Amino acid sequence: EAQVTQNPRYLITVTGKKLTVTCSQNMNHEYMSWYRQDPGLGLRQIYYSMNVEVTDKGDVPEGYKVSRKEKRNFPLILESPSPNQTSLYFCASRLTSAFSYNEQFFGPGTRLTVL
Amino acid sequence: EDQVTQSPEALRLQEGESSSLNCSYTVSGLRGLFWYRQDPGKGPEFLFTLYSAGEEKEKERLKATLTKKESFLHITAPKPEDSATYLCAVQAESSASKIIFGSGTRLSIRP
Repeated sequence: EAQVTQNPRYLITVTGKKLTVTCSQNMNHEYMSWYRQDPGLGLRQIYYSMNVEVTDKGDVPEGYKVSRKEKRNFPLILESPSPNQTSLYFCASRLTSAFSYNEQFFGPGTRLTVL
Repeated sequence: EDQVTQSPEALRLQEGESSSLNCSYTVSGLRGLFWYRQDPGKGPEFLFTLYSAGEEKEKERLKATLTKKESFLHITAPKPEDSATYLCAVQAESSASKIIFGSGTRLSIRP
């Protein structure tokens, strides 16, 4: 089944404790992206990757890191989480990264709480 | 600045009562406008892509239309299972990577 998977689905942590949220897709998509979703603010892009070893900042990159060493995986790293990073996080992927749009597939989400 | 505004924030309808959701956008050259459905606790699910003014797409009870300033998602004779949050997003011609989302319309259909 074609899908985007994220782990963990739920995470409660404390300020300053490094964490990684994994994202994996099995559709051989070039483009992957991370979003956060907050009430009243909609989905905001954190980072995206056009292909392996190519990443760039989205609208709200502060406090986050990403890496793209393999095509299928795009982990989101919070080196020193803070309470304002409490949010619902989504990973997404789509087929091409060129100047055209293809359907974007979203993962099931990771609900993160930073105390 | 590129922007997407959806209205209303929430809409409650009786089963069978047709209505429309609005998505107004400001973007420097539209490459595409997209509609997604999001159920509670799940990731958004793709519905439609519209590329140019006058274009229409349909899927079951949903029909999306596009003008130069806004898009409408028309829901005809909705059923309770159509209850969800509907998200609108745009991609500007100037950016291959950036998709700007609206904050969504929360639709509730009463049996």
